[in-house]
Amino acid sequence: GQNIDQPTEMTATEGAIVQINCTYQTSGFNGLFWYQQHAGEAPTFLSYNVLDGLEEKGRFSSFLSRSKGYSYLLLKELQMKDSASYLCAGISGGYNKLIFGAGTRLAVHP
Amino acid sequence: EAGVVQSPRYKIIEKKQPVAFWCNPISGHNTLYWYRQNLGQGPELLIRYENEEAVDDSQLPKDRFSAERLKGVDSTLKIQPAELGDSAVYLCASSSWGRESNTDTQYFGPGTRLTVL
Repeated sequence: GQNIDQPTEMTATEGAIVQINCTYQTSGFNGLFWYQQHAGEAPTFLSYNVLDGLEEKGRFSSFLSRSKGYSYLLLKELQMKDSASYLCAGISGGYNKLIFGAGTRLAVHP
Repeated sequence: EAGVVQSPRYKIIEKKQPVAFWCNPISGHNTLYWYRQNLGQGPELLIRYENEEAVDDSQLPKDRFSAERLKGVDSTLKIQPAELGDSAVYLCASSSWGRESNTDTQYFGPGTRLTVL
């Protein structure tokens, strides 16, 4: 099977940095997405990694190590509005099927 | 640019009743997906369309679920009859090759929250 694992919940303080980890089985995935989902809303695209290394986009960065089956999402200068679920998703197969993890609920406190 | 549109946003029905959800994808997106998201879980793919062709429906419970995308644009997902375990959020997404990601990026609609009583 194809499993994606991420922590269920995390808390952090406004202005701080938080790293959300994601691990997956190394076979079968062609790339990795991160989505943000606020409660009751649609998932919104944050980042995509297909090669090893760090992709930086403003306050958010995403890292991928294909050999280790490991990714993380780094959020800097946390704001209250960053309180949301963060979904890690691997691309699998010829039709680029997305396999989602259960998501990490991040709570940002003042 | 308008996003993915779904209706209704909320639906409450009694078990054994039929229900239908509608989705209009982002203009120009040929690929359309229906997902189901249970509380505290990530979305799970039900069916994927390339234009009007269903290219992956392996996870669609075909005894009670059906979907169509007759003209290759908007799509409907139907459940008949609904069961208690069908309570979930049903998300529609569409995709195209995105400049910001250099890959086929899926964009999601707001979803329909279904409650089966």
